[in-house]
Amino acid sequence: GAVVSQHPSRVICKSGTSVKIECRSLDFQATTMFWYRQFPKQSLMLMATSNEGSKATYEQGVEKDKFLINHASLTLSTLTVTSAHPEDSSFYICSARRGSELMNTEAFFGQGTRLTVV
Amino acid sequence: AQSVAQPEDQVNVAEGNPLTVKCTYSVSGNPYLFWYVQYPNRGLQFLLKYITGDNLVKGSYGFEAEFNKSQTSFHLKKPSALVSDSALYFCAVRDKVTGGGNKLTFGTGTQLKVEL
Repeated sequence: GAVVSQHPSRVICKSGTSVKIECRSLDFQATTMFWYRQFPKQSLMLMATSNEGSKATYEQGVEKDKFLINHASLTLSTLTVTSAHPEDSSFYICSARRGSELMNTEAFFGQGTRLTVV
Repeated sequence: AQSVAQPEDQVNVAEGNPLTVKCTYSVSGNPYLFWYVQYPNRGLQFLLKYITGDNLVKGSYGFEAEFNKSQTSFHLKKPSALVSDSALYFCAVRDKVTGGGNKLTFGTGTQLKVEL
């Protein structure tokens, strides 16, 4: 099966610092990866779509200068939360799809990263 | 725009009884429909999907879902619930229309609690 690995699973950082979260597709190539944010007892909110070799597409209301996304290879996308503040504390989840947009494949999700900014 | 509604925040069922978790959707074209399950502090696990063909879709762990186009529904079902099925369940939709169809839209989630 398709495996998506997300690292770290849990991170605590000080306010004002930056945190990088990695998302890797372990056994398939993912031209597109997605980054979500999930608040307690709420659904997943899509933050951005990460395309290999090009700029990410951000959803409305998501600050692209704060949430930096890099998709440097077909198996790795990173999300960097810059100058983190306590309100950035959340559960961040990545997902990746095999194949192209026209294929009816499901998305596979990483384990999630619990970010706590103190 | 595409959207998903899960009308129940929580569903309680006794172990051994059948369970249903409801989902309705709205898309401009034809839908791709998915169910995912999430355990505490974990990512989402894929359960099943409807793309085309048979309206009754069978998935992992004994779950199934029925696509009903006239009612725009995709309810998740299992004939006999287990305590280990207790988790948060998400329904998701993706529009088949090219160009706008790459994004998954999730429902708000339904917490399933199976008790002895």
